[in-house]
Amino acid sequence: DTAVSQTPKYLVTQMGNDKSIKCEQNLGHDTMYWYKQDSKKFLKIMFSYNNKELIINETVPNRFSPKSPDKAHLNLHINSLELGDSAVYFCASSLDLARGQETQYFGPGTRLLVL
Amino acid sequence: AQSVTQLGSHVSVSEGALVLLRCNYSSSVPPYLFWYVQYPNQGLQLLLKYTSAATLVKGINGFEAEFKKSETSFHLTKPSAHMSDAAEYFCAVSGNTGGFKTIFGAGTRLFVKA
Repeated sequence: DTAVSQTPKYLVTQMGNDKSIKCEQNLGHDTMYWYKQDSKKFLKIMFSYNNKELIINETVPNRFSPKSPDKAHLNLHINSLELGDSAVYFCASSLDLARGQETQYFGPGTRLLVL
Repeated sequence: AQSVTQLGSHVSVSEGALVLLRCNYSSSVPPYLFWYVQYPNQGLQLLLKYTSAATLVKGINGFEAEFKKSETSFHLTKPSAHMSDAAEYFCAVSGNTGGFKTIFGAGTRLFVKA
């Protein structure tokens, strides 16, 4: 059983398109995250949801919109894709954001390439 | 504010040699500290974490790290490197700064030579 799953694994698209990445966790966790990892492997948090409520919203262009239909799912929709959006996007989950020592469990990543 | 600095973007060791990956942190509140490992084309997975209990923390795959408050360090070590240890390693810090957010270091790529 995959704990944190993401679809698709690879995404190649043209500039200006709109795309979505889906994430699901079956760990019963309350908190989910989206991270962006650039070509130099630098990992930066984008968003965090706790029980479907947006908790962390970093300085991310508003072309990026997270949606959490329930606490097991956190999707990421990206409008008007740009070349600079090319990266690996990781979804993660943890038991509870209110306890900072919680382990985060990461999905396998979605490799987005914008042409 | 919190930050993490990993010294050395690349570290190369011979198989069987000591692995030492350096991490220094900055935090205005008591920190929680983590080491995660990322194998090629995979997500990150936790190696070990410090949560204010024992300062010497043992993790998976023979890794351990020691929290040294006086040096603001949390270096990762393994006595004997194995080929399968080749991966990217991330140090991370979290703490109650009016909310919790995990800050990751830039990562250290470990190469293991036969």
